[in-house]
Amino acid sequence: EDQVTQSPEALRLQEGESSSLNCSYTVSGLRGLFWYRQDPGKGPEFLFTLYSAGEEKEKERLKATLTKKESFLHITAPKPEDSATYLCAVQVPGGSQGNLIFGKGTKLSVKP
Amino acid sequence: DAGVTQSPTHLIKTRGQHVTLRCSPISGHKSVSWYQQVLGQGPQFIFQYYEKEERGRGNFPDRFSARQFPNYSSELNVNALLLGDSALYLCASSLGLYTDTQYFGPGTRLTVL
Repeated sequence: EDQVTQSPEALRLQEGESSSLNCSYTVSGLRGLFWYRQDPGKGPEFLFTLYSAGEEKEKERLKATLTKKESFLHITAPKPEDSATYLCAVQVPGGSQGNLIFGKGTKLSVKP
Repeated sequence: DAGVTQSPTHLIKTRGQHVTLRCSPISGHKSVSWYQQVLGQGPQFIFQYYEKEERGRGNFPDRFSARQFPNYSSELNVNALLLGDSALYLCASSLGLYTDTQYFGPGTRLTVL
């Protein structure tokens, strides 16, 4: 069964304290891996798409990387406005082609 | 350009009733997907429509149904509501089916009493 696991479930950082969020996946095949940010009570906001091992994407303080078994979202010198839940999702071939399989998310809190 | 829009924002229903949720995709997007997100969990796939045809269905009972209209907007219908149907219902649109990024709307918060 295709599965996505995110760790840690929650992460508390001080402003400026860099860290990484992990997304490990067990899938029959990978079409793409997606990172989203979700604020409380709102819809997920797209951050990155990664397609193949070794690929990296950057946006402001965020950098996403991909290996054959996992992806990391690195947060450099975070600010309080980076506080949110970060969701990882994979898209796999076969079955419901456009289906995204999500992890449970990592809730990030950044204190000033 | 406007993003994905959903209506209503919030909805309160009682057990046994039915509900219709609406979604308008980003202009030019032909695929709409529906997801259910319960508190503390990631979104779970319900349906995907592309060019007005159902192209995928998640593990949800037949009480859930959907359709897509010629203008690519979509409706999600849920019959015989249960307490467990209380969740945030998310609509996402994409240009096509495969590996296209899905952009989410703000969601509809459904509470079943």
